[in-house]
Amino acid sequence: AQSVTQPDIHITVSEGASLELRCNYSYGATPYLFWYVQSPGQGLQLLLKYFSGDTLVQGIKGFEAEFKRSQSSFNLRKPSVHWSDAAEYFCAVARAAGNKLTFGGGTRVLVKP
Amino acid sequence: DGGITQSPKYLFRKEGQNVTLSCEQNLNHDAMYWYRQDPGQGLRLIYYSQIVNDFQKGDIAEGYSVSREKKESFPLTVTSAQKNPTAFYLCASSIKVETEAFFGQGTRLTVV
Repeated sequence: AQSVTQPDIHITVSEGASLELRCNYSYGATPYLFWYVQSPGQGLQLLLKYFSGDTLVQGIKGFEAEFKRSQSSFNLRKPSVHWSDAAEYFCAVARAAGNKLTFGGGTRVLVKP
Repeated sequence: DGGITQSPKYLFRKEGQNVTLSCEQNLNHDAMYWYRQDPGQGLRLIYYSQIVNDFQKGDIAEGYSVSREKKESFPLTVTSAQKNPTAFYLCASSIKVETEAFFGQGTRLTVV
């Protein structure tokens, strides 16, 4: 079975500081990888995705993520957070073509002024 | 505008009643999904459908039912057999099951 782990349940960061959210998955082949963001009471919005190619992926809102095969990781980063980045972030993985997405448990980000 | 519409946004149900949540998409996507989200928890898959007239159980299908009679519609019925139905329900769709999913704005169901 596929599984996705987001080790950090909560992260607090100061406005203007950098942010890194961790995501690890549990199988050897290169899966399809996604990061989503959810504001309170809203649906999820796709930030970025990785299928193949360049392992550093740029997304919307200034976010980027790096796929590291050796570490089975797909960590999300932003160089300088804004108060509007306070939200919950979900990593999702599809093992291969024809396999549905599995979501991690989410990381809630709080931004201090 | 293309997208996914869930209705209603808030729904109240008395214990013992069935209730149906609506999900419509005009993205021409083949796959559709229903997720349940509880406070402090991630998304749990209830049911998904890869094509019209076909659907599969997800991880927590007990107490729920779905239909997929039209490509654009995937309603979810929360039955009286669901013992703890109060939650936030999210519908999503995608071109194929392994591609990015697009989400609706959710329906918050409360049992009163």
